[in-house]
Amino acid sequence: SQQGEEDPQALSIQEGENATMNCSYKTSINNLQWYRQNSGRGLVHLILIRSNEREKHSGRLRVTLDTSKKSSSLLITASRAADTASYFCATANQGGKLIFGQGTELSVKP
Amino acid sequence: ETGVTQTPRHLVMGMTNKKSLKCEQHLGHNAMYWYKQSAKKPLELMFVYNFKEQTENNSVPSRFSPECPNSSHLFLHLHTLQPEDSALYLCASSQETRDSRHEQYFGPGTRLTVT
Repeated sequence: SQQGEEDPQALSIQEGENATMNCSYKTSINNLQWYRQNSGRGLVHLILIRSNEREKHSGRLRVTLDTSKKSSSLLITASRAADTASYFCATANQGGKLIFGQGTELSVKP
Repeated sequence: ETGVTQTPRHLVMGMTNKKSLKCEQHLGHNAMYWYKQSAKKPLELMFVYNFKEQTENNSVPSRFSPECPNSSHLFLHLHTLQPEDSALYLCASSQETRDSRHEQYFGPGTRLTVT
């Protein structure tokens, strides 16, 4: 069953703007992870936030987690054309199983 | 470069063919995974191996047969596939599966087309 659902499905912005993607999930989690995928390629891990954390930063990325609302957001600040990709959230429970959402397609126009 | 390689990168096969996908990780990880990614669908977990033992088979049809001879190598043997099996097949690895505390590292994928 699908766990993470990203919103919006597609996002188009200008270079320099911020991009915000949201993820909602249904069941309790151990951690939530965000991945990026360039067209037709493998996924690249961006950031992991544990269920007892509320916010995490990595470079231009900021992730928040609200376990009471079962939601997370990924903010990319000062976006660049090279940030154009699909972004996926994945929820992790015990046992090594990651359940991915359908992703947000981000297009950053130069 | 994530340290996970997959071969071949592209594969076209007929429904009566038998082929194998190969994955190798150079990260010293103990867990390896096969995922299927179809257009407009979320990534689907197929199989999980932890310390060479299969720990997850996500109701995958028997025409897909995984093999994990050691912690660094993972194969997916394919036979009598259907056109709907056409997809991007992704391999991933992680340190191990306990508590899912570790991120997964993905290979570039094999684009499979079944004709």
